[in-house]
Amino acid sequence: DTGVSQDPRHKITKRGQNVTFRCDPISEHNRLYWYRQTLGQGPEFLTYFQNEAQLEKSRLLSDRFSAERPKGSFSTLEIQRTEQGDSAMYLCASSPSGGQEGRQYFGPGTRLTVT
Amino acid sequence: SQQGEEDPQALSIQEGENATMNCSYKTSINNLQWYRQNSGRGLVHLILIRSNEREKHSGRLRVTLDTSKKSSSLLITASRAADTASYFCATSKAAGNKLTFGGGTRVLVKP
Repeated sequence: DTGVSQDPRHKITKRGQNVTFRCDPISEHNRLYWYRQTLGQGPEFLTYFQNEAQLEKSRLLSDRFSAERPKGSFSTLEIQRTEQGDSAMYLCASSPSGGQEGRQYFGPGTRLTVT
Repeated sequence: SQQGEEDPQALSIQEGENATMNCSYKTSINNLQWYRQNSGRGLVHLILIRSNEREKHSGRLRVTLDTSKKSSSLLITASRAADTASYFCATSKAAGNKLTFGGGTRVLVKP
């Protein structure tokens, strides 16, 4: 069990650019979640997958955001035409279906700064 | 939007003292979980309590849940400097579903 990994750990981009983040869940976990956390706040849910199916999307996930999990393993989160308000920590988590009643295992996060 | 509020928002105590923080939520839940986050890092799961449970212990942690009041508390006994972190409660309407987090309590344990 190597844990959930995220790449990159930090990203600085200019407003208007596109960015893509990657999350590798724990290998046997078929559920994968994305959250966003701004400074001093709790994480807010963005979207989650069971295997390759995207089961739920938050209204926070505007049309500039897209998430994929093409083979039910790693996932990518893309933000197009970034805005300063997108600056936040993007957290990925995974869990096994049916395991431990919903405990989620979080990665270290990707900190995005939009200048 | 977040599920509920945590109280207090910040807490400063001496090493060895107990730390208590509270969480309130708004809708019915399947379970409530507590997570810890060190500055700028990911979240670490501490404990999960199901909606039909009232109290749970794990090491120096004690969690209570009152579904009639839609509230939970986390007690850390005999605190250590290493307990300095932000603590978040999170609720789920069904096992495996998304988590809805509170705003967190920032705990400082002074040596």
